Amino acid sequence: AQKVTQAQTEISVVEKEDVTLDCVYETRDTTYYLFWYKQPPSGELVFLIRRNSFDEQNEISGRYSWNFQKSTSSFNFTITASQVVDSAVYFCALSEVNNAGNMLTFGGGTRLMVKP
Amino acid sequence: DAGITQSPRHKVTETGTPVTLRCHQTENHRYMYWYRQDPGHGLRLIHYSYGVKDTDKGEVSDGYSVSRSKTEDFLLTLESATSSQTSVYFCAISDPGGLNTEAFFGQGTRLTVV
Repeated sequence: AQKVTQAQTEISVVEKEDVTLDCVYETRDTTYYLFWYKQPPSGELVFLIRRNSFDEQNEISGRYSWNFQKSTSSFNFTITASQVVDSAVYFCALSEVNNAGNMLTFGGGTRLMVKP
Repeated sequence: DAGITQSPRHKVTETGTPVTLRCHQTENHRYMYWYRQDPGHGLRLIHYSYGVKDTDKGEVSDGYSVSRSKTEDFLLTLESATSSQTSVYFCAISDPGGLNTEAFFGQGTRLTVV
């Protein structure tokens, strides 16, 4: 069975600090997808990134970057120069290729609080 | 934004009563999902659908049933609500044309069973 673990339940930083959110996953499949979603205080779920298991290149999007390492089954998310608007709950999720469409297994989430 | 509407957005119901939550999409996506969100558990899959009248169970399906009579609507029913079903429920859809593209989520329904 697949599993996603986000060991950090809450992180608090001061604005402009860099912060890394950890995600460790378990799956028996060799082909799978990894995702990050953001849930701001308003409650909606916002898609941030999808990464397939064959692409271990790190990705950068503005202040956001993702580090995918198959050797350690980790898909970590770093926010550089954090801002108050980054305050949210962040979810890491896993989807195996052979399941129905895009059935996601989520981690428990990390609540990030960015203080001014 | 993907066209997904959940109704109602908030509901308070009594233990033992039936409750139906509705998810409506305007994207013509094949796959639809119901998740529940609880503190410490992230989101967990209740049921999903891969076409009209084609549904299957997820991780936490006990006490829930679903129906999909039209592509655009996916209903989640709690036959006899219990306090353990107090949660936030999210509907999601995914693109049939691309395997494992991102799922788009509705705004959520906050259900309280008293």
